[in-house]
Amino acid sequence: QKEVEQNSGPLSVPEGAIASLNCTYSDRGSQSFFWYRQYSGKSPELIMSIYSNGDKEDGRFTAQLNKASQYVSLLIRDSQPSDSATYLCAVRMAGANSKLTFGKGITLSVRP
Amino acid sequence: EADIYQTPRYLVIGTGKKITLECSQTMGHDKMYWYQQDPGMELHLIHYSYGVNSTEKGDLSSESTVSRIRTEHFPLTLESARPSHTSQYLCASSDWGAGGEDGYTFGSGTRLTVV
Repeated sequence: QKEVEQNSGPLSVPEGAIASLNCTYSDRGSQSFFWYRQYSGKSPELIMSIYSNGDKEDGRFTAQLNKASQYVSLLIRDSQPSDSATYLCAVRMAGANSKLTFGKGITLSVRP
Repeated sequence: EADIYQTPRYLVIGTGKKITLECSQTMGHDKMYWYQQDPGMELHLIHYSYGVNSTEKGDLSSESTVSRIRTEHFPLTLESARPSHTSQYLCASSDWGAGGEDGYTFGSGTRLTVV
């Protein structure tokens, strides 16, 4: 089992829809969780961080964390074509010091 | 605004050449990292540093070496470039443990092509 798994893509949604991106992790002691957005040919950009169970909202983005079930998700409301990118889930596992473990990413395509 | 800089942005070089990829950050972060990423593929950690004179190898075996003589500077060197080194190299830094933002800040990356 990979340490950080993201559901296979690509994911395609129409403009204005809600995009739901999921991520599961293997280490129950993990403390910090992040979502990065990476446009093609560019470097990853941090868009959300979450540390406690529940929801965290920032504009059109909502991160959801459930430590008991070991999953973290990202919801993008009112999806725009500019949201088309690869989204990377990253987890700081217990004992990893500062290192993050990244998932493979899922590519989102928003159709106009 | 504080940032993290990588140079060069693109590099095409012949086999056998020695190259150094530069990474500098102005945020005073102790933790710095080098990742390798092929197009459409996942990130692989190749080196990291927790401070001056501290360097460690990452999860992916790499023929490159790094140094950390100054907090702000974390260069990566390939002594003899090969076509298999063709990839994108991403540098990142973190303020974890110092009370700051927890995630990584990435540089723009260096896209290396070895011919």
